[in-house]
Amino acid sequence: QQQVKQSPQSLIVQKGGISIINCAYENTAFDYFPWYQQFPGKGPALLIAIRPDVSEKKEGRFTISFNKSAKQFSLHIMDSQPGDSATYFCAASRAAGNKLTFGGGTRVLVKP
Amino acid sequence: DVKVTQSSRYLVKRTGEKVFLECVQDMDHENMFWYRQDPGLGLRLIYFSYDVKMKEKGDIPEGYSVSREKKERFSLILESASTNQTSMYLCASNRGSTNEKLFFGSGTQLSVL
Repeated sequence: QQQVKQSPQSLIVQKGGISIINCAYENTAFDYFPWYQQFPGKGPALLIAIRPDVSEKKEGRFTISFNKSAKQFSLHIMDSQPGDSATYFCAASRAAGNKLTFGGGTRVLVKP
Repeated sequence: DVKVTQSSRYLVKRTGEKVFLECVQDMDHENMFWYRQDPGLGLRLIYFSYDVKMKEKGDIPEGYSVSREKKERFSLILESASTNQTSMYLCASNRGSTNEKLFFGSGTQLSVL
């Protein structure tokens, strides 16, 4: 079974709009929650990451919101641009480990 | 610029063939990983290695083996390829510390006919 569930599978947003991707996890031992961005023909690359001691982290137009009690976290892409069109993966791992468990991915298309 | 290089971008093999996927990193990273990527399932860890000649099973090791004879090189082996192993295979590496950023290669799309 998938330990990290990601939704939606795909998303279409207009330029300038907000893209929201949600992830839910089951393992309470998870302590590190990164998001990876993948462009076609490329491997994923780290976009932003959060640890559960904070509820929100912002880097430019990208924000992670984290709800520890609900075991959920989300990625918000503000002012979405066509160059943000990519597949986004949430992931989680334990504090002392290096094994990332990935969500199923969300394909985002930003229309000009 | 850091680099993880996978030997083939596309590979077509026959059922029952032995398949080798090669990965080389130039960052002197201790850890190396093999993932497979399938639509809707995300990335699933097959095997990883935290040192030369060391390996650990990931979440889906069945039907695969690995080899790490040198620090910079990590090979994934399909002993007898099957059609359900048709997938995108991604190699990654990172430093030995906990939860360091993963650096991925561009992937090998393997088709088993």
